[in-house]
Amino acid sequence: GAVVSQHPSWVICKSGTSVKIECRSLDFQATTMFWYRQFPKQSLMLMATSNEGSKATYEQGVEKDKFLINHASLTLSTLTVTSAHPEDSSFYICSARDGRGANTGELFFGEGSRLTVL
Amino acid sequence: AQSVTQLGSHVSVSEGALVLLRCNYSSSVPPYLFWYVQYPNQGLQLLLKYTSAATLVKGINGFEAEFKKSETSFHLTKPSAHMSDAAEYFCAVSKGSQGNLIFGKGTKLSVKP
Repeated sequence: GAVVSQHPSWVICKSGTSVKIECRSLDFQATTMFWYRQFPKQSLMLMATSNEGSKATYEQGVEKDKFLINHASLTLSTLTVTSAHPEDSSFYICSARDGRGANTGELFFGEGSRLTVL
Repeated sequence: AQSVTQLGSHVSVSEGALVLLRCNYSSSVPPYLFWYVQYPNQGLQLLLKYTSAATLVKGINGFEAEFKKSETSFHLTKPSAHMSDAAEYFCAVSKGSQGNLIFGKGTKLSVKP
């Protein structure tokens, strides 16, 4: 199946700094990527939809200036948490949809990135 | 709008026993339905999916699910639980093949020896 890779898996940063998380589709081209946030023992909350070559579409309540998303190529989307604060600590997961061939709606997920802001 | 309800945030079974994780959906259009599994500190792995073909769907690791339109359900089952099945399970729905996935709140499965 298709492989999505996230980096870094773990990141610890000081309050006020910015952190960039990368999401790559390794063996397919992803015209659309999704960024989710997961709080402890909770479900995944969609943050934004990232479309290659255009601006991301953010879900209601998600600050676009806080969570910058860039999808500059068909295999890479990045999420930058700007001026991070402890409340931004969470597990961030990206997913991608294969843009080629038959599309069954399946999303392929990255391994997730755990952000801890001190 | 699509939504998913998973009944039971925590299910505990004995090794070898039947696993039944419940999922009910709401959708204004014929849904695409998915079950994903998540191990601690990892992403999600697809177990199986329903995309309007056969109503009984077989997935990986011996899991299967049956789409019942009349009951708006897509329950996940496995005849005999293994210790390695202990994980968090998420049911999800999407509007066709292009929409994002809407997830249920998840069910944590524990397997007792």
